[in-house]
Amino acid sequence: QKEVEQNSGPLSVPEGAIASLNCTYSDRGSQSFFWYRQYSGKSPELIMFIYSNGDKEDGRFTAQLNKASQYVSLLIRDSQPSDSATYLCAVNLLPSGSARQLTFGSGTQLTVLP
Amino acid sequence: EAQVTQNPRYLITVTGKKLTVTCSQNMNHEYMSWYRQDPGLGLRQIYYSMNVEVTDKGDVPEGYKVSRKEKRNFPLILESPSPNQTSLYFCASSPIQGSYEQYFGPGTRLTVT
Repeated sequence: QKEVEQNSGPLSVPEGAIASLNCTYSDRGSQSFFWYRQYSGKSPELIMFIYSNGDKEDGRFTAQLNKASQYVSLLIRDSQPSDSATYLCAVNLLPSGSARQLTFGSGTQLTVLP
Repeated sequence: EAQVTQNPRYLITVTGKKLTVTCSQNMNHEYMSWYRQDPGLGLRQIYYSMNVEVTDKGDVPEGYKVSRKEKRNFPLILESPSPNQTSLYFCASSPIQGSYEQYFGPGTRLTVT
């Protein structure tokens, strides 16, 4: 049974702070890991992906992967009110370079307070 | 503009009345998928298709049908909708290889009374 667990929140942080979002997964065969952002009433959009252990940075976003502990996290530095959204963690068993067959977590709702 | 389109965006129907939600993509993607999203349950895959005439069940296929007669289109069919199929539905597409992103349509909010 593939499972992806996220704290549903809501998570509130003040503007300018670091928001930390966590995700754990059950299938040790998982190969690729994705973070999608979903604004209320909108469709999900990809913001980060990672497939190697360690950190991956893209602007204000950093994804962290620890396959031994089966968790992946997303850090948002200098949080802005426009970052307020639901963040979905997704994993798949396929090698890097494939976005197919994703299993999604239920999402963490983030609110950045001005 | 590269996009995935869905129609209708909103639909209210009654139990048992057959309906089809269309999905079309203009990116020549091989892979297409349908998800439903319910509060607290996240996105759950209903059906997916690897290419024309190739479809397979996802995690929650009961009560749904799909077809893939053309590469660009992947309609979702509810033969006899029930209230437990009230949900937000998303279609998505991606290449088979060489992409990390699934491109999502705008969503279809379905209410079955």
